[in-house]
Amino acid sequence: EAQVTQNPRYLITVTGKKLTVTCSQNMNHEYMSWYRQDPGLGLRQIYYSMNVEVTDKGDVPEGYKVSRKEKRNFPLILESPSPNQTSLYFCASSLRGVEGDTQYFGPGTRLTVL
Amino acid sequence: AQSVAQPEDQVNVAEGNPLTVKCTYSVSGNPYLFWYVQYPNRGLQFLLKYITGDNLVKGSYGFEAEFNKSQTSFHLKKPSALVSDSALYFCAVRALYSSASKIIFGSGTRLSIRP
Repeated sequence: EAQVTQNPRYLITVTGKKLTVTCSQNMNHEYMSWYRQDPGLGLRQIYYSMNVEVTDKGDVPEGYKVSRKEKRNFPLILESPSPNQTSLYFCASSLRGVEGDTQYFGPGTRLTVL
Repeated sequence: AQSVAQPEDQVNVAEGNPLTVKCTYSVSGNPYLFWYVQYPNRGLQFLLKYITGDNLVKGSYGFEAEFNKSQTSFHLKKPSALVSDSALYFCAVRALYSSASKIIFGSGTRLSIRP
């Protein structure tokens, strides 16, 4: 089954404790992206990747890191989480990230930073 | 600046009535417009998109959307609402930016269908 998976689905952590949210897709997509969803703000893009070893900042990259060493994986790293990073996070992928491409979303990771 | 606006936080409709969820956009060049739906505790699912051609686009679950270039709108519609249509709906536009391509989402509209 074609899908985007994220782990963990739920995470409660404390300020400053490094964490990684994994994202994997099995559709051989070149484009992958991370979003955070906050009430009233919709989805805001954190980082995206057009292909292996090619990443770029989205609209809200501060406090986040990403890497794209393999085509299927695009982990999101929070080196020193803070309470304002409490949010619902979605990973997404699409074939090439061009104009008409449809994005496929993972199920989401709900992160709480205390 | 490129943006997407969903002017209504919530839309309430009785089952069987037509529904409209509004979306307006502002981009440079040709817009590529999308609608996604989010059910509780789920990721976003693709509904439909406009790339070019016919201004009326048909999508999943009986939804359709009309692209109106003069009004820069892409409203989502359905002739007869179902209770199961209750969900959070996002309009999105893909804009060309430098050598990459970014997609911008609206703030979302919660659709509530009462029996």
